[in-house]
Amino acid sequence: DQQVKQNSPSLSVQEGRISILNCDYTNSMFDYFLWYKKYPAEGPTFLISISSIKDKNEDGRFTVFLNKSAKHLSLHIVPSQPGDSAVYFCAASELGSGYALNFGKGTSLLVTP
Amino acid sequence: SQTIHQWPATLVQPVGSPLSLECTVEGTSNPNLYWYRQAAGRGLQLLFYSVGIGQISSEVPQNLSASRPQDRQFILSSKKLLLSDSGFYLCAWSSGGTGELFFGEGSRLTVL
Repeated sequence: DQQVKQNSPSLSVQEGRISILNCDYTNSMFDYFLWYKKYPAEGPTFLISISSIKDKNEDGRFTVFLNKSAKHLSLHIVPSQPGDSAVYFCAASELGSGYALNFGKGTSLLVTP
Repeated sequence: SQTIHQWPATLVQPVGSPLSLECTVEGTSNPNLYWYRQAAGRGLQLLFYSVGIGQISSEVPQNLSASRPQDRQFILSSKKLLLSDSGFYLCAWSSGGTGELFFGEGSRLTVL
């Protein structure tokens, strides 16, 4: 049962434009959300996170928005750069559970020059 | 600083052969340890997690097993590999507090 869903397997954006990656979740107990970036043949690396007490968190070109009522979060990358081309995984957990993150299937982002 | 290493990086094994992937963490004590698998079109699937030596929880029933013989060592094993075991295996650790996972470099397993 997929509790975290990324319904767009791929996304193509022009360099300089905004990339918006979406993620939905079904478990209302999730209170901590993360985005990971993954290049081929490498482990995922942490990008940005947000707790359920916030609705926005910004770090440089990356902003994550959380809409708890809709159980939806999104990652905005502005401006997009070719080096941002990677697979992006959305993940969710219950803070303090310490056991595991629930991951979406990932969205492959391609930023074209 | 904390580091995580897993090996081998790539492995090609025939069906029915055994498997052993090893993961070690340095620079922290009593980490939570995890094995994930990334298979085509399936995202990151949690296979096992461990909150301490000898404590293993399995998320997905299968022919794989995990062991934690030491605090910072996590091993993924199989006695007989199946074709469906092919994938990219990732070891990860966390401190258990923030929920953030730190991943190893990954091991690409191809079962022929």
